[in-house]
Amino acid sequence: ETGVTQTPRHLVMGMTNKKSLKCEQHLGHNAMYWYKQSAKKPLELMFVYSLEERVENNSVPSRFSPECPNSSHLFLHLHTLQPEDSALYLCASSQASGTGNEKLFFGSGTQLSVL
Amino acid sequence: GQNIDQPTEMTATEGAIVQINCTYQTSGFNGLFWYQQHAGEAPTFLSYNVLDGLEEKGRFSSFLSRSKGYSYLLLKELQMKDSASYLCAVRDSNYQLIWGAGTKLIIKP
Repeated sequence: ETGVTQTPRHLVMGMTNKKSLKCEQHLGHNAMYWYKQSAKKPLELMFVYSLEERVENNSVPSRFSPECPNSSHLFLHLHTLQPEDSALYLCASSQASGTGNEKLFFGSGTQLSVL
Repeated sequence: GQNIDQPTEMTATEGAIVQINCTYQTSGFNGLFWYQQHAGEAPTFLSYNVLDGLEEKGRFSSFLSRSKGYSYLLLKELQMKDSASYLCAVRDSNYQLIWGAGTKLIIKP
């Protein structure tokens, strides 16, 4: 496999469920990201792991919990979500260089519906 | 605050040319990106501009004017497969990416 793969592609969960999203990158990159994409809104950066350092967006509710066991794998653990959390969750990776021109490689996303 | 503006939706005809504009107000500037996203798929990188001027890549070109806080993506010889959303993003002085909401481009035969 090449690129960035995300599983599952679709997820429906109740507000009391616990689930996890998985992302794997096969590009040898050293940074991984979780983004939330809602209709007609800009991409919202949720979490970044770069050079093994976690950078967190302070506005992310604690019901979202990331985990990065190594530079190739990233998880997003979900617990007690709300209907407004329904969105497309995108994982991305990049080769962090500090030069500004590093581009993101995205997975196809997990379409999450919270009932 | 930081802001990226782009039209919500545009319609164009197959074989024609379309220009998608992006204006930005950010804290500093370290480059501007365009991404293409087909419905239900991953965004994919199209172009990167950091200096003023036009960058051409086949049927797609991207222009930047830093003094005006303005960029556009020009698509020539439109094909049906160009129907997608086009995302503009600016890297600010802290190297954070600020995203626009995207422009949905509809191509009609």
